[in-house]
Amino acid sequence: DAGVTQSPTHLIKTRGQHVTLRCSPISGHKSVSWYQQVLGQGPQFIFQYYEKEERGRGNFPDRFSARQFPNYSSELNVNALLLGDSALYLCASSLAPELQETQYFGPGTRLLVL
Amino acid sequence: AQSVTQPDIHITVSEGASLELRCNYSYGATPYLFWYVQSPGQGLQLLLKYFSGDTLVQGIKGFEAEFKRSQSSFNLRKPSVHWSDAAEYFCAVGSLYSSASKIIFGSGTRLSIRP
Repeated sequence: DAGVTQSPTHLIKTRGQHVTLRCSPISGHKSVSWYQQVLGQGPQFIFQYYEKEERGRGNFPDRFSARQFPNYSSELNVNALLLGDSALYLCASSLAPELQETQYFGPGTRLLVL
Repeated sequence: AQSVTQPDIHITVSEGASLELRCNYSYGATPYLFWYVQSPGQGLQLLLKYFSGDTLVQGIKGFEAEFKRSQSSFNLRKPSVHWSDAAEYFCAVGSLYSSASKIIFGSGTRLSIRP
């Protein structure tokens, strides 16, 4: 079975631009979470979605938004990019949003903001 | 607030030697604890997890971890490391936030293997 897939793998943008990152969960998984991993740090929670509803949001500005589609895939959108948004963006999927359900991570999208 | 501390930024061990990576957590209730590994250019792979029960947890690739409530620790061990174990290791705690389940990661320990 295919794991979590993310696209694109790499992306270069300039300050002020907008970016959309995509995630396809493992087949049968209905919950998707997004994390930001800045170089040299552990991932930080951005969003969790389940059944197309936002379950929670981390400490990120409103420039960050996301949505989940009927097929459970998800998009992360970031507006008005800042240099500090340069990071690896990880998507994780699980069967359900409970902590007991293992979150499986994708390879990530590496975003560079110039 | 929940947090995870990995006191060792970088550790180097010889191939075949034993390994212990330290992790301390801060969490009010019984924690959900995880160890993940990240190889260069790869996503995060779950090595093992602890929710309840036996405090010694077996994981994949020959890793194990022991939950010690009195010390708020969840150290990762392996009796004999292989060159392929070189990677970044993250300890994490699960947390309920609003109606979301989020994972709070430590800052990671980079493991290098000496031939």
